[in-house]
Amino acid sequence: QKEVEQDPGPLSVPEGAIVSLNCTYSNSAFQYFMWYRQYSRKGPELLMYTYSSGNKEDGRFTAQVDKSSKYISLFIRDSQPSDSATYLCAMKTQGAQKLVFGQGTRLTINP
Amino acid sequence: GAVVSQHPSRVICKSGTSVKIECRSLDFQATTMFWYRQFPKQSLMLMATSNEGSKATYEQGVEKDKFLINHASLTLSTLTVTSAHPEDSSFYICSAMGQANTGELFFGEGSRLTVL
Repeated sequence: QKEVEQDPGPLSVPEGAIVSLNCTYSNSAFQYFMWYRQYSRKGPELLMYTYSSGNKEDGRFTAQVDKSSKYISLFIRDSQPSDSATYLCAMKTQGAQKLVFGQGTRLTINP
Repeated sequence: GAVVSQHPSRVICKSGTSVKIECRSLDFQATTMFWYRQFPKQSLMLMATSNEGSKATYEQGVEKDKFLINHASLTLSTLTVTSAHPEDSSFYICSAMGQANTGELFFGEGSRLTVL
């Protein structure tokens, strides 16, 4: 079993829809949770960063962390074609240097 | 967010030559830098962790003599692919973490290496 599981998709939704992306994990020691967006042939871009549990909102993006269920989510409201990309979840434990990444979900927003 | 610059973005070389890729943190000091390799439609594969002033720590299965990593300053790390072969063709991405070690990792734009 991988430490971090993420459905690779692909996921295709119409423009304007609410998108829900998720990751589950097995290591209860993870404390830092991140979402990255990666456009084709580009490096990943940090989208959302959360420490411990709770919600965080930034514009159309909301990140949720449920440590009791070992489950994190990224919601995209009013999705746009420019949101089409691969979304990677990542997490790490306190004191660790390395991040553990999910496989990434390929998302396409159709105009 | 913080800016990490990676250069070159694309490089084509002949088999047997060496290629150097640079990774710079432009507006912060990066005590730790990471080098990843990414195959098409796959996630990031960590190759090595580089701490400023010390030897890099390589992941299992990564040849340290083939992929030379140097992190001589708090803003620069380099990856040299020595005696490159076609199977080394890939997308290489660096990332940098700030001194606070909060987990926020900032990535370069990636370098696409093609070995003929």
